[in-house]
Parts: sequence; structure tokens; C-alpha cells
Amino acid sequence: DAGVIQSPRHEVTEMGQEVTLRCKPISGHNSLFWYRQTMMRGLELLIYFNNNVPIDDSGMPEDRFSAKMPNASFSTLKIQPSEPRDSAVYFCASNPGGTRTDTQYFGPGTRLTVL
Amino acid sequence: KQEVTQIPAALSVPEGENLVLNCSFTDSAIYNLQWFRQDPGKGLTSLLLIQSSQREQTSGRLNASLDKSSGRSTLYIAASQPGDSATYLCAAGANNLFFGTGTRLTVIP
Repeated sequence: DAGVIQSPRHEVTEMGQEVTLRCKPISGHNSLFWYRQTMMRGLELLIYFNNNVPIDDSGMPEDRFSAKMPNASFSTLKIQPSEPRDSAVYFCASNPGGTRTDTQYFGPGTRLTVL
Repeated sequence: KQEVTQIPAALSVPEGENLVLNCSFTDSAIYNLQWFRQDPGKGLTSLLLIQSSQREQTSGRLNASLDKSSGRSTLYIAASQPGDSATYLCAAGANNLFFGTGTRLTVIP
């Protein structure tokens, strides 16, 4: 299995631009998570999907952030417009879907820099 | 909200030494406690998961313990190796996983 796949691995953009991060979970996993990691706040859950349905988006910081999961093998996290304070590493993770606290398998992350 | 703390933030030890990493959490109503490893520029890799009803879990040179009543977990690494150098994060699982900020371990050859 290829594991969780994220693209791009690095993204540099200018303030105000739209940014789209992509994730392909492990095949057969029913739960998908988007996290953000910063030095100041550590790793924070942004949104959790189960069977392609958003279950908990309470961690999404503001309306500039949106996430979709159109099918079981693909999810996107979009930031529009981007701001310098959005600079962070964004991780996608998946698990087979028993509970959201079961072992999660993380992708390599996307390092986002907003200038 | 669950708060997870890891002390120290960084630790350096000579190769071969046994070491303990500490994790504390504020809300004892957890389903499990998990330890992850993160290498620079990489994602997190799950090391051990301890269910709330368990006291410890072992995998190879790693042993994790859990004391729910005191809100503490430890990760014991035996006979440390340079390849163990990484950041170790713990996460307390309730409705979600709440992560500590990690301990950066350096094992000196």
C-alpha cells in the first residue's frame, strides 16, 4: 500500500491567493482527517470526515478554509484568500473508521508558506 | 478542552542509554493514549496505542505506560540508538485526538 498521499509537498504563494491541498487516503479507510501543525500551537485537528461526510469541522479556523471529500479516495482543503498566518504544515490522515481515536495513518504533509 | 503536555521539549542522550519521555493530560476521560514518532519533514508514525483499560504496551525496545488517574503516560526506550533520533508526540484520545507539542530526542553516537 502506498500510504496516505498528499500533494503538493511544498507550496509557496502570495497573500490573497487561493491554495488547494490534496489528499488520497489509504484504500479502504473510511475516516479522513485534516490537521495543521505550527510551532506555536502544535498539531490541531481541522476537520474529520467519515464515509465522505464531514462530521466535525469545529477546528476549521474561519470561513476562508473549506474542505471537501467528493469520493472515498480524494479530499481537498482550500484556503481562499490565503494569509501569512496560514503558513504551516498541513497533514492528512486516515484510519479504517472504527472510531476517530483509532490508530491514524499520516501522510507526509504539505508545507505551506504564504508571503 | 483536553490539554496535553510533554516535558522536556528536547533531550540529548548518548547511544546505549535507556530513557523515559513524559506526557501528561488534564482530562482522564480518554479512550486511549497514543505515542507517535515524527522525523524531520515527514508525517507522524504510530508507535504504540494504549487503551484506557490497559496499563502498558510494548513493542520491541519501546514500552509505554498509562496512569489515567494521575493523567500521565511515559514512553520508555531501551538501549537507545542514533536511529531513534526524532520528535516523539503523545496524543490523548477522547472524542478527538489531542496532541502534545512533542519531545525532540537526539541520540549521540
